[in-house]
Amino acid sequence: AQSVTQLGSHVSVSEGALVLLRCNYSSSVPPYLFWYVQYPNQGLQLLLKYTTGATLVKGINGFEAEFKKSETSFHLTKPSAHMSDAAEYFCAVSDNAGNMLTFGGGTRLMVKP
Amino acid sequence: NAGVTQTPKFRVLKTGQSMTLLCAQDMNHEYMYWYRQDPGMGLRLIHYSVGEGTTAKGEVPDGYNVSRLKKQNFLLGLESAAPSQTSVYFCASSYSAASAETQYFGPGTRLLVL
Repeated sequence: AQSVTQLGSHVSVSEGALVLLRCNYSSSVPPYLFWYVQYPNQGLQLLLKYTTGATLVKGINGFEAEFKKSETSFHLTKPSAHMSDAAEYFCAVSDNAGNMLTFGGGTRLMVKP
Repeated sequence: NAGVTQTPKFRVLKTGQSMTLLCAQDMNHEYMYWYRQDPGMGLRLIHYSVGEGTTAKGEVPDGYNVSRLKKQNFLLGLESAAPSQTSVYFCASSYSAASAETQYFGPGTRLLVL
């Protein structure tokens, strides 16, 4: 069975500071990994995903994530936070045989002026 | 191109009442999903469909039924609502299997069961 753990349900950073949102997964097969973002009162939208190939994945709005197999991690980073980045972020994993995504519990990012 | 739409946006039910949530997508996607979102638990899959006329159980199917009579629509039914079903419900769709495909989400339906 797959599982996803997001460390920190709430993360607060100052505008311009580094954003680091942590995601660790467990999967019995090589995983596909996703980060989704949910802005207030909206549905989720894809930030980025890792399927195969390069382990450093670049997404929208300046976010990127690195797949580290040895650490079973897929942490999300952004060099400089903007006020507009305030949202909830979800890490998710799927395997290459199933039809289901397994989501982490989410991390709410707050950006202070 | 509206993407994924959900009806209604908000609903209050009394325990034991029934209701149907409607999801519609205009992207010609084969796969559709219903999730519920609860604080600290992320999204959990209720049911999904891999094509018109097919449905399958997800992680938390009890108390819900679904139907996919038309490719573009996926209905979620609650036959006898319970307070534990108070949640935000999201519909999503994808072109093919979830493994590597992006899922596109609707704006959600907030349900309160008293």
